[in-house]
Amino acid sequence: GAVVSQHPSRVICKSGTSVKIECRSLDFQATTMFWYRQFPKQSLMLMATSNEGSKATYEQGVEKDKFLINHASLTLSTLTVTSAHPEDSSFYICSASRGTRGETQYFGPGTRLLVL
Amino acid sequence: TQLLEQSPQFLSIQEGENLTVYCNSSSVFSSLQWYRQEPGEGPVLLVTVVTGGEVKKLKRLTFQFGDARKDSSLHITAAQPGDTGLYLCAGVMGGGSNYKLTFGKGTLLTVNP
Repeated sequence: GAVVSQHPSRVICKSGTSVKIECRSLDFQATTMFWYRQFPKQSLMLMATSNEGSKATYEQGVEKDKFLINHASLTLSTLTVTSAHPEDSSFYICSASRGTRGETQYFGPGTRLLVL
Repeated sequence: TQLLEQSPQFLSIQEGENLTVYCNSSSVFSSLQWYRQEPGEGPVLLVTVVTGGEVKKLKRLTFQFGDARKDSSLHITAAQPGDTGLYLCAGVMGGGSNYKLTFGKGTLLTVNP
């Protein structure tokens, strides 16, 4: 199988602080990783696409300076929410793909962020 | 503008009933995927349909891709409480480094025992 993990599974932080979320592909190399955001009972909204070793491509309306994405290796991508505010509270989900030719995305279990 | 429209948004039925969830778009997709997501977890891929008119079966679940590759349906026969969850359709667009999924809003299914 293709397993993707996320850490932490849930995090509570104070407004104004930064939070880092890790996404790891455990048993395959992920050329491409995706970050999604999901509000309660709503669908997944793509935030950005990252390819190993290059800058992430952000979707329209997503602030790249607020949501920093680093894809430093073929098994790890990180999302850092900088200067978090209560409206950033959400469920953040990553996915990983083996290649760039449209292969299946394997989703992580998600990270629940609560900003107080 | 929502690229993929799913209906119904909410569905509550009794165990043993049949149901159909629809996913419609004005855009053509290279393929379409259906996922099931449980609370607090990431979505799990159920099926990918690629060819217009394609029908795939997964036990009691039947997936169909429209002839024009713009719409899809998911039919569940004799629903069970274990089928409860959020069902998401996702259209695959682009290719190469521009490949990405566009998700519908989802259908929240509750199957009551």
